Amino acid sequence: DVKVTQSSRYLVKRTGEKVFLECVQDMDHENMFWYRQDPGLGLRLIYFSYDVKMKEKGDIPEGYSVSREKKERFSLILESASTNQTSMYLCAAGRAPQKLFFGSGTQLSVL
Amino acid sequence: GDSVTQMEGPVTLSEEAFLTINCTYTATGYPSLFWYVQYPGEGLQLLLKATKADDKGSNKGFEATYRKETTSFHLEKGSVQVSDSAVYFCALTTGNQFYFGTGTSLTVIP
Repeated sequence: DVKVTQSSRYLVKRTGEKVFLECVQDMDHENMFWYRQDPGLGLRLIYFSYDVKMKEKGDIPEGYSVSREKKERFSLILESASTNQTSMYLCAAGRAPQKLFFGSGTQLSVL
Repeated sequence: GDSVTQMEGPVTLSEEAFLTINCTYTATGYPSLFWYVQYPGEGLQLLLKATKADDKGSNKGFEATYRKETTSFHLEKGSVQVSDSAVYFCALTTGNQFYFGTGTSLTVIP
């Protein structure tokens, strides 16, 4: 079975900390995505990448950056965490128009 | 731009009731349409999809038909079970990006 693995299920950080969320896929997919999920807002795209070292901004990139040094790994970075970045973060991999495969999510709390 | 609008929840049904969750879309070009499901504590997983007009996607008793004339992709199930309790997301893609609706929470009570 295909697999998208997010490094942490729950994470608690303090305001101002630098936070790394890691995502690894084993499917050799070019496209990888980071979403955040908030009640009533659904999934909002933060960044996506369609190849190694390539990245594109999604709908809400402010306060985030990403890194894709290897095809299988896509990292989301919060340069200076803030309380409004408390959310569920979902990583996905896939190839449009085929389906996306999602990780289990990381629930980040910024205190 | 491309977008998806789906019925707001939460929806609460008794076991064996009929389910409909409405979804309409706006897209340039010819999108592929999806329904994803998220069970408690998990990520999203594909429930069904349709890639062209009049296609019907189906899985686990759920169905949705791609209606180009009404730009809709409504999710239906004839008899829901407690195990169907989850959040359901309608989505589309026309290229490299996927666009999701806000999700509809379904609770099925025995």
